[in-house]
Amino acid sequence: GDSVTQTEGLVTLTEGLPVMLNCTYQTIYSNPFLFWYVHYLNESPRLLLKSSTDNKRTEHQGFHATLHKSSSSFHLQKSSAQLSDSALYYCALSNTGNYKYVFGAGTRLKVIA
Amino acid sequence: DMKVTQMPRYLIKRMGENVLLECGQDMSHETMYWYRQDPGLGLQLIYISYDVDSNSEGDIPKGYRVSRKKREHFSLILDSAKTNQTSVYFCASRVRGYEQYFGPGTRLTVL
Repeated sequence: GDSVTQTEGLVTLTEGLPVMLNCTYQTIYSNPFLFWYVHYLNESPRLLLKSSTDNKRTEHQGFHATLHKSSSSFHLQKSSAQLSDSALYYCALSNTGNYKYVFGAGTRLKVIA
Repeated sequence: DMKVTQMPRYLIKRMGENVLLECGQDMSHETMYWYRQDPGLGLQLIYISYDVDSNSEGDIPKGYRVSRKKREHFSLILDSAKTNQTSVYFCASRVRGYEQYFGPGTRLTVL
């Protein structure tokens, strides 16, 4: 079945440094949709980014990600981390016509001063 | 403003007791979900509902059942709760374009 792998459980960064959270996936379908959800403490998880077409960058709130089908990846990046970026980040996969989502284990990003 | 609500927000039960978690949405979304969130495991899909009385098992349905009699309400039921069902439970509803809206979560402790 489909799967999503987030290799880092915890990423600790100093404010101002670049952010990169890894996400790779496995699916037999040729046109997957990939998502990044962010979960701030005491809030509901919410959508941060949704993939576009292959090799096209998608951006929102300073974060960006590019779907690379050749490497089955959708890594989340930001040029400069802020303290307010501290949260739990989930990568998720869905396929056309399939209402199910598969989430990765999540990466906790901790930004320190 | 799209909204998903969950009740209760916190619940403590003893092993063997029945548990009812409620979820509501005011967006007339057809598809709704129940997940549980555990450290290191992420969000795991328990059940998915495509519409009223049209439910399907997710990846970890054992020990759970659901009910959806109205489009705006989706309930998760634990018959005879177990200690390993201690978790945070999230309900979500899906909008066209694949985005999910999540509720605030219910923290369930089974003693």
